[in-house]
Amino acid sequence: AQKVTQAQTEISVVEKEDVTLDCVYETRDTTYYLFWYKQPPSGELVFLIRRNSFDEQNEISGRYSWNFQKSTSSFNFTITASQVVDSAVYFCALSEVYSTAGNKLTFGGGTRVLVKP
Amino acid sequence: NAGVTQTPKFRILKIGQSMTLQCTQDMNHNYMYWYRQDPGMGLKLIYYSVGAGITDKGEVPNGYNVSRSTTEDFPLRLELAAPSQTSVYFCASSYSYNSPLHFGNGTRLTVT
Repeated sequence: AQKVTQAQTEISVVEKEDVTLDCVYETRDTTYYLFWYKQPPSGELVFLIRRNSFDEQNEISGRYSWNFQKSTSSFNFTITASQVVDSAVYFCALSEVYSTAGNKLTFGGGTRVLVKP
Repeated sequence: NAGVTQTPKFRILKIGQSMTLQCTQDMNHNYMYWYRQDPGMGLKLIYYSVGAGITDKGEVPNGYNVSRSTTEDFPLRLELAAPSQTSVYFCASSYSYNSPLHFGNGTRLTVT
């Protein structure tokens, strides 16, 4: 069975501080995808990034960066120079990828990030 | 460019009532999904569909039914609502089996 653990339930920072969200996953699959989604206070889910299990390159997108380490089964997410608009719940998710079953996601419990001005 | 549209946004049901949560997408995606999000928790998969006429159970299917008569629509039916079904329900779609999911804005359901 697949499992995603986000040990930090809530992180509070002051604007401009960096914040790192931890994500640890378990799977027996050799091919899988990892995702991060953002859920702002308005409630919708916003896709941030997808990473496949064969690509361990770190990725940077603006103030967001992701560190994928297969050896430790971790896919951590860092927000640099946080802003109030970054306040949201962030979910890490893992998918088993079978063409007959679609992209079924297993979600972690989420980490609430509160950025104070 | 509507994406994934869910109706209603909010609903209160009494125990034992039934209702259908509507979900439609205009992106011609074959894959569609229903998730529920309980307070303070991540999302759990209820049912999914890989194309019109094909549906299958996810992690938490009990108490729900789905149908997929068209590519666009994927309604979720609750029969005999129970307080344990109080949750926020998200519908999602994806272009292919390994594409990111596009989510609707959710339906907040309370069963009292």
